Amino acid sequence: DVKVTQSSRYLVKRTGEKVFLECVQDMDHENMFWYRQDPGLGLRLIYFSYDVKMKEKGDIPEGYSVSREKKERFSLILESASTNQTSMYLCASSLAKTGANVLTFGAGSRLTVL
Amino acid sequence: QKEVEQDPGPLSVPEGAIVSLNCTYSNSAFQYFMWYRQYSRKGPELLMYTYSSGNKEDGRFTAQVDKSSKYISLFIRDSQPSDSATYLCAMSVGDDKIIFGKGTRLHILP
Repeated sequence: DVKVTQSSRYLVKRTGEKVFLECVQDMDHENMFWYRQDPGLGLRLIYFSYDVKMKEKGDIPEGYSVSREKKERFSLILESASTNQTSMYLCASSLAKTGANVLTFGAGSRLTVL
Repeated sequence: QKEVEQDPGPLSVPEGAIVSLNCTYSNSAFQYFMWYRQYSRKGPELLMYTYSSGNKEDGRFTAQVDKSSKYISLFIRDSQPSDSATYLCAMSVGDDKIIFGKGTRLHILP
C-alpha cells in the first residue's frame, strides 16, 4: 500500500558531496513537493512541481535544485552538501484541482552531512 | 504575527482522557483546514480535512473550525497510547500553498 516512496531512508554524506534524494509516487498525482523538517522550525517548502519538467521555488530553495523528468518521479539535488543541510527531507504529492492541496507524504529521508 | 501558531508541547495526558489540540491563524482567507499525524521517524499522514467552518467527526477524532475566531481544534476521545505522536495543523486558500503549524507533541500515558 506504499504510495510515495523515498528510496533512501538514512544517508550520511561528507561536506561538498553531491547528494540525490529520489521520490516516486504511484497515485498519478500532478503535484509534487520537497520539504525539510527541523526541530523548532517545522516543515519548510524547498521546491515544488505542478507538471513534468516544471519547477517552482519554495520558501528555502538556496543550495538545492530539483528534477522532474517523469510525472511519477521528483528528485531533490544538493549540488554541494553542507552541514546546515543536515535534516529530515520529506517528499509529498497531491492531486491537482481538487479544491485543496491535500498532501500524501513519503516516510522521509534523514540526511546527515559531516 | 506568524501565519499559523501551534503550541509545541509536549502534552502528556493519561490513557482514556479527552485530548484537545489547537491552532490559531491570522489569514482570514484560509478555507481548507487539515490535521496531520506524524509518528516518530515517519512522514506525516492526513488525519482530518475540513472545509470552511464547522465540525467534522471520524471515529474518536473531531475537527472543529471557528473562522470568526481564527481558531481550529482537534479533539481525541478515549485517547490511546497509539495516539502518541506529533500533530500538525495545516491550512490553505484553495489549492494554493499549504501553511503548516510547527506541530504539538502528544504523549498518552498508559
